[in-house]
Amino acid sequence: GQNIDQPTEMTATEGAIVQINCTYQTSGFNGLFWYQQHAAEAPTFLSYNVLDGLEEKGRFSSFLSRSKGYSYLLLKELQMKDSASYLCAVKNNAGKSTFGDGTTLTVKP
Amino acid sequence: DGGITQSPKYLFRKEGQNVTLSCEQNLNHDAMYWYRQDPGQGLRLIYYSQIVNDFQKGDIAEGYSVSREKKESFPLTVTSAQKNPTAFYLCASIEGPGLAGHEQFFGPGTRLTVL
Repeated sequence: GQNIDQPTEMTATEGAIVQINCTYQTSGFNGLFWYQQHAAEAPTFLSYNVLDGLEEKGRFSSFLSRSKGYSYLLLKELQMKDSASYLCAVKNNAGKSTFGDGTTLTVKP
Repeated sequence: DGGITQSPKYLFRKEGQNVTLSCEQNLNHDAMYWYRQDPGQGLRLIYYSQIVNDFQKGDIAEGYSVSREKKESFPLTVTSAQKNPTAFYLCASIEGPGLAGHEQFFGPGTRLTVL
């Protein structure tokens, strides 16, 4: 099976940087995804990692270490609209994705 | 415009009734998925289908049924056997489930309330 762990809640200040961690256990690893989900809406894709290292996309970056079963999502220059839930998801070779419970980020002025 | 549609957005049913949630995609994606989300929790996989006329149980399939008679459609039936059906249901599709780098595209979701 697959097991995903991420913090339940985080709070940060507008303009700051925040790092959301995700640890996972899986067999047949075939990629790790980060999604953003605003309340009562569907998740939207943020980033994808399948090889070790950092992937940067504007204000958002995602890091992966397969040997450690660890990833983080880094959000820079935080804006109020970044307040949302951030979901870590791991896909296996059978095409099945398992989601973590999400980290609720609150950005304060 | 290509995308995934789910209808209705809000659905109310009486306890003991079966209800079918629709999911349609015109993205020509091979694989489709159904997830359930409860407040403060992540997405839990109910069923998924990688090709037409084939589907597999996810982690919480009990009390649910699906069909995949057409590539673009993957309806989910919530049966009376599902003990706690009130939840937010999300449908998703992906171009090729075994391919690396392909994210899931989600529909807008259906919020089911059983009274």
